[in-house]
Amino acid sequence: SYELTQPPSVSVSPGQTARITCSGDALPKQYAYWYQQKAGQAPVLVIYKDSERPSGIPERFSGSSSGTTVTLTISGVQAEDEADYYCQSADSSSTSVEFGGGTKLTVL
Amino acid sequence: QVQLVQSGAEVKKPGASVKVSCKASRYAFTSYYLHWVRQAPGQGLEWMGMINPGGGYTRYAQKFQGRVTMTRDTSTSTVYMELSSLRSDDTAVYYCARDPGGAYCSSTTCYAFDYWGQGTLVTVSS
Repeated sequence: SYELTQPPSVSVSPGQTARITCSGDALPKQYAYWYQQKAGQAPVLVIYKDSERPSGIPERFSGSSSGTTVTLTISGVQAEDEADYYCQSADSSSTSVEFGGGTKLTVL
Repeated sequence: QVQLVQSGAEVKKPGASVKVSCKASRYAFTSYYLHWVRQAPGQGLEWMGMINPGGGYTRYAQKFQGRVTMTRDTSTSTVYMELSSLRSDDTAVYYCARDPGGAYCSSTTCYAFDYWGQGTLVTVSS
């Protein structure tokens, strides 16, 4: 089955840049999406179509894609960015959805 | 602002069924697919399937085939997800989420989610 692989955790100090990667064989053919989920809340879409930002999402959130890896970058991390982040894509035949296992971002 | 409001928490015994509702408002209900995603305690997100509120077409994740049924009521802009033969490992928060389609991808269905319901906790316990 199709899988998306993320690191379990990333830690950064306030003001630094956090990079969260997501790898999967279908990513060159399918768009990736990123979600932020804070404790006890529903997920929020922060990046769509690999690198686009929905309205209302701060400019410090950005996305990029290279081959089988997509990356979520948070520049100038703030304490409020501490959350779980999930990448997501469709499978190569666009018939189902896959999520990465999630990355816990800790702001030191 | 798009709203998806889900029904309240449920406690069920193993082997029973549960039906969770998701009422949509402030957008054209029949124009956007709706998905169901669940999250077991302390675990990641898991896609269950989707429904086209316009025509009622459904697609389910293979894992849930035969156990899940998604339906809709266009008169009340509500979708439903029913899961049968419940087991303890079905204990989870169940979310409905809207597919943005169009500008968020290259087709009418992105298999992605721009708005989410608040979640419904389903607890399966004897």
